[in-house]
Amino acid sequence: RKEVEQDPGPFNVPEGATVAFNCTYSNSASQSFFWYRQDCRKEPKLLMSVYSSGNEDGRFTAQLNRASQYISLLIRDSKLSDSATYLCVSLRRGYSTLTFGKGTMLLVSP
Amino acid sequence: DTGVSQDPRHKITKRGQNVTFRCDPISEHNRLYWYRQTLGQGPEFLTYFQNEAQLEKSRLLSDRFSAERPKGSFSTLEIQRTEQGDSAMYLCASSFPAGHNEQFFGPGTRLTVL
Repeated sequence: RKEVEQDPGPFNVPEGATVAFNCTYSNSASQSFFWYRQDCRKEPKLLMSVYSSGNEDGRFTAQLNRASQYISLLIRDSKLSDSATYLCVSLRRGYSTLTFGKGTMLLVSP
Repeated sequence: DTGVSQDPRHKITKRGQNVTFRCDPISEHNRLYWYRQTLGQGPEFLTYFQNEAQLEKSRLLSDRFSAERPKGSFSTLEIQRTEQGDSAMYLCASSFPAGHNEQFFGPGTRLTVL
């Protein structure tokens, strides 16, 4: 079983829609979590860190559920420019290296 | 541009040749990471430096791979006797050990082994 699992999609949504991605992790020692965004043939870019209490950054909201070992990302009012692959990432306690999921592809259409 | 830089951006080589990639991290970041990404997969960790010390190596890093960070600034990743399975995007990231240890990635070096 992969340590971080995501639905690869693609998720096809119209502009203005709300879309949510979930991600599950199997290692209970995972301490910190992140969402990265990756455009086609580009490097991953940090979208947001995920805090235990949940956090929001503009149209993006991230939630962490430690009991169920899942992380979510909600995107409201989708824009064409949100089309990308969203990578769920964990960091284990005492380690410095990131573990990535395979990513979920989002396609926002006019 | 004060982000992470990598050189070259693209490398095409023949099987059996040696290749070397360079990464320059963000200047105040003392941690540097190498990852590899193949099509349809997320990046996979290869190795990690804190200053000049190589602190962790993945099982993915075979004997043909070696990485250095001699002065705690830039790093090089060398692949000897390349194989077609080495074709991938090689990503470098850097971070400062504070907060949540957010890592920032360079543009990557895309390696194609013919």
